[in-house]
Amino acid sequence: TQLLEQSPQFLSIQEGENLTVYCNSSSVFSSLQWYRQEPGEGPVLLVTVVTGGEVKKLKRLTFQFGDARKDSSLHITAAQPGDTGLYLCAADYNQGGKLIFGQGTELSVKP
Amino acid sequence: DSGVTQTPKHLITATGQRVTLRCSPRSGDLSVYWYQQSLDQGLQFLIQYYNGEERAKGNILERFSAQQFPDLHSELNLSSLELGDSALYFCASSAALLGNTIYFGEGSWLTVV
Repeated sequence: TQLLEQSPQFLSIQEGENLTVYCNSSSVFSSLQWYRQEPGEGPVLLVTVVTGGEVKKLKRLTFQFGDARKDSSLHITAAQPGDTGLYLCAADYNQGGKLIFGQGTELSVKP
Repeated sequence: DSGVTQTPKHLITATGQRVTLRCSPRSGDLSVYWYQQSLDQGLQFLIQYYNGEERAKGNILERFSAQQFPDLHSELNLSSLELGDSALYFCASSAALLGNTIYFGEGSWLTVV
């Protein structure tokens, strides 16, 4: 059984601070996706990483895929209240579209 | 708006009852997925259909079933409902079977009382 461990589970920070969310597995991914989910809505895809060591940037968000393709991180620089939400990593182990989700990181950014 | 439409948005029903959740995928998407999200289990993959055929099965209970129709919309049937079935049920779709971005609907909130 593939498990995706995401940490931390909860994060409450002040506006302007930096933060990093981690996603780890004992198995190799085909690809890994990061989603953001707001209350009452479905997850929205932020980025997909495929190649080991890959780094992608989306404004103040930096996503990194581990060299061994078993881990990933999401770093947010100078967090803003609008970044508040549930961040989910999801791994595709078999290129079949069936995603295994981490438990999520509930981020709260206070003004 | 992801383009994936789910109905109903909210549903309250009693234990033992049966409900049907409906999903219309994004225009042109052939693959449909169903996920369940609860506080204790997180987002769990239930089942995937591609062009009308079941392609992958996850943690779906025997009391649950799904199908994808020729017009590509999908339905998730939940029967003999239990309190623990209360959750947010998401439908998602993608263009093809492999390696495509998956787009989620807004979900159907099911409350079993």
